[in-house]
Amino acid sequence: AQSVTQLDSHVSVSEGTPVLLRCNYSSSYSPSLFWYVQHPNKGLQLLLKYTSAATLVKGINGFEAEFKKSETSFHLTKPSAHMSDAAEYFCVVSAPGADGLTFGKGTHLIIQP
Amino acid sequence: KAGVTQTPRYLIKTRGQQVTLSCSPISGHRSVSWYQQTPGQGLQFLFEYFSETQRNKGNFPGRFSGRQFSNSRSEMNVSTLELGDSALYLCASSLQTSGRAQETQYFGPGTRLLVL
Repeated sequence: AQSVTQLDSHVSVSEGTPVLLRCNYSSSYSPSLFWYVQHPNKGLQLLLKYTSAATLVKGINGFEAEFKKSETSFHLTKPSAHMSDAAEYFCVVSAPGADGLTFGKGTHLIIQP
Repeated sequence: KAGVTQTPRYLIKTRGQQVTLSCSPISGHRSVSWYQQTPGQGLQFLFEYFSETQRNKGNFPGRFSGRQFSNSRSEMNVSTLELGDSALYLCASSLQTSGRAQETQYFGPGTRLLVL
């Protein structure tokens, strides 16, 4: 069985300040982990993924995430927020034998001017 | 290369009707998965098709069904619609050349279904 917990349903930051979106996972097997972003009325876009290579993963638009097995975490960060980052972010886990992707409930990122 | 396309983008149906949604994967992708997104339940896996065969199915009633054609295009059908079926239905495709768990799934824009 696998599950994902996104620790914050909403995060609000000022433009130009760092972003931290927190994600904890549970999986019976070595998982692959993903972060997707969804802008209003759009589909999901892949930001980055971890597949047991380097634990620090760099993605698009300046985002990165660090896989910490001991903490079962995969937090998403960005050094400086832009207004265009305002969106819904989903942490996703995939493991061998699982039925499809398992999504977290999502974190709504708000960027204050 | 064109992305995943879904048609129609919006649909309004009434209770008891049935609906068919269509998904065209990225060229060369052989796996198509379907997800339901609602405010209450979030994103939930419906089913996955690979080479015209349903490989996995999520925890949804039998009213939800799908199929995949030889060109990898997929359709999903919902019969006897209920108010609770109102949702954004997302289709995703992947190559399926390596370990399945590691494959990136590429999502379409979704079909928004409203059941009245």
